Amino acid sequence: DIQMTQSPASLSASLGETVTIQCRASEDIYSGLAWYQQKPGKSPQLLIYGASSLQDGVPSRFSGSGSGTQYSLKISSMQTEDEGVYFCQQGLKYPLTFGSGTKLEIK
Amino acid sequence: QVNLLQSGAALVKPGASVKLSCKASGYTFTDYYIHWVKQSHGKSLEWIGYINPNSGYTNYNEKFKSKATLTVDKSTNTAYMELSRLTSEDSATYYCTRDYYDGYTDYWGQGVMVTVSS
Repeated sequence: DIQMTQSPASLSASLGETVTIQCRASEDIYSGLAWYQQKPGKSPQLLIYGASSLQDGVPSRFSGSGSGTQYSLKISSMQTEDEGVYFCQQGLKYPLTFGSGTKLEIK
Repeated sequence: QVNLLQSGAALVKPGASVKLSCKASGYTFTDYYIHWVKQSHGKSLEWIGYINPNSGYTNYNEKFKSKATLTVDKSTNTAYMELSRLTSEDSATYYCTRDYYDGYTDYWGQGVMVTVSS
């Protein structure tokens, strides 16, 4: 199975700050990566797929990049509503696997 | 609008089985795979498997092959997941989610909490 390693496990950011979350795959996943946001008590929501494609309706302050085994999610200007847990997920091979999550809070 | 409505929370005894439902609306049910995902205690996510509602073809995570059985009822646009021989390790929230493409999932059910306890 492809292992997904996320970092950091948690972070806090001020309003307007730029935030970056990292995700590393145990093998090349050829940009087959998605990012999800999960707010407390809610279901995950797709933000980014194909490593860098923004899902419809997702604010443009979210962006994804990377290739090979290294990927990142950037929030260009932290907003209150961005608090939550962020997961990466590889879609290249089954079984689909997720990172352990990054908890993002407002400072 | 697309909606996946899951059945309510379940409290089940160890060793028993439970069948969870996921009723789809707002799109053509047979056009999209349905995945099931486990989330234990608000932690990370585990992919259980998917079913093709059109053909009934299933693909399971090896870890859940003897635990979960996925089925669909096309007449009611409902996907089901049966979990068998339940233990405390199966206590978790389970989500159904629609495949967007290439293993990415765009719409999620609200989740159902399963508690295994005597």
